[in-house]
Amino acid sequence: RKEVEQDPGPFNVPEGATVAFNCTYSNSASQSFFWYRQDCRKEPKLLMSVYSSGNEDGRFTAQLNRASQYISLLIRDSKLSDSATYLCVVLYYGGATNKLIFGTGTLLAVQP
Amino acid sequence: GAVVSQHPSRVICKSGTSVKIECRSLDFQATTMFWYRQFPKKSLMLMATSNEGSKATYEQGVEKDKFLINHASLTLSTLTVTSAHPEDSSFYICSARDRGFGSGNTIYFGEGSWLTVV
Repeated sequence: RKEVEQDPGPFNVPEGATVAFNCTYSNSASQSFFWYRQDCRKEPKLLMSVYSSGNEDGRFTAQLNRASQYISLLIRDSKLSDSATYLCVVLYYGGATNKLIFGTGTLLAVQP
Repeated sequence: GAVVSQHPSRVICKSGTSVKIECRSLDFQATTMFWYRQFPKKSLMLMATSNEGSKATYEQGVEKDKFLINHASLTLSTLTVTSAHPEDSSFYICSARDRGFGSGNTIYFGEGSWLTVV
């Protein structure tokens, strides 16, 4: 089983739609969680951190359920510029080694 | 804001030669840097975790003698692909953690390096 799993998509949605991405992680020692966005042939860029209390940044809402080891990202009122791959990222502290593990990414294509 | 600089952004080398990729944190100290590779339409695969002043920790399946990592200072880590082969052609990307006060342990990525071995 992969350490971080995501539905690879693609998600094809019309402009203005609401879309949700899900992610599960297997290591219960995981301590920090993030959503990154990656455009084609570019480096990933931090979209937002994810907290158990849930957090919102404009049209983006992230949620963490530690009991279920589940992370979500909700995008409201999708824009064409939201088209990208969204990466679920987990950081955990394993003894002397900190590991940042990426999910496979979910491809979002927003259609005009 | 904090920046991680990676160099070179693109490199083409002949099979059998070695290539060095540098990763620098420009305005923060990075005790830990991560090296990834990414194949087309695939996710980033962690290769190794680089800790300043100590040996890198490699992920299972990554040859440490082929992918040499050096983290000699708090702002620089290097990845050397030794005796490169065409199958090493990939997008290599580094990231660094800012553990400074108020940073929130933010992780920043370099711009990535496209390696093509011919």
